[in-house]
Amino acid sequence: AQRVTQPEKLLSVFKGAPVELKCNYSYSGSPELFWYVQYSRQRLQLLLRHISRESIKGFTADLNKGETSFHLKKPFAQEEDSAMYYCALKGLRAGGGADGLTFGKGTHLIIQP
Amino acid sequence: DTEVTQTPKHLVMGMTNKKSLKCEQHMGHRAMYWYKQKAKKPPELMFVYSYEKLSINESVPSRFSPECPNSSLLNLHLHALQPEDSALYLCASSHYPGTGLYEQYFGPGTRLTVT
Repeated sequence: AQRVTQPEKLLSVFKGAPVELKCNYSYSGSPELFWYVQYSRQRLQLLLRHISRESIKGFTADLNKGETSFHLKKPFAQEEDSAMYYCALKGLRAGGGADGLTFGKGTHLIIQP
Repeated sequence: DTEVTQTPKHLVMGMTNKKSLKCEQHMGHRAMYWYKQKAKKPPELMFVYSYEKLSINESVPSRFSPECPNSSLLNLHLHALQPEDSALYLCASSHYPGTGLYEQYFGPGTRLTVT
């Protein structure tokens, strides 16, 4: 069974400090992993997808298959980064067809001034 | 138009009522999803529609009945709900895998309260 683990329920750092939100997954196969962010009173929105290897809003995430991790990092946190962050894994039922996302429990990131 | 819209934003219903939630997207996505999100919990998948056909049902009770009348619309019909069904119901859409960059776009949700 697939599973996503985000060990930190809450993470508080000071503005300008580095941020790392941890995500580990359990999946038999090649995973498709995502980071979603939910700002206060806003909808859930995609932040990063692992296949793109991009940097969005200064955030990056690298898939480490050996450690089954997909940690989210930012070198210098900003106050507007305060939000709920979810790591998510796309399932592979339906013979590779559309499947839902399995979400971790989320990490509430608070950036203190 | 790159948004998923959901109506209504809020819904209060009694346990004997019948109501429907509506979701719409005009991004040409052929996969659509219903999720349920309880307070302070992550979204949990309920249903997946692929090319307007139900492809995944996560053992959801029959008091929830999904419908996909066309490629842009997704409905969730509710009947005889229980108070524990109170939650935020999220709709999402995506390209069908292999037909475009895969990511799920989420609507703002319908906040449902069952009294």
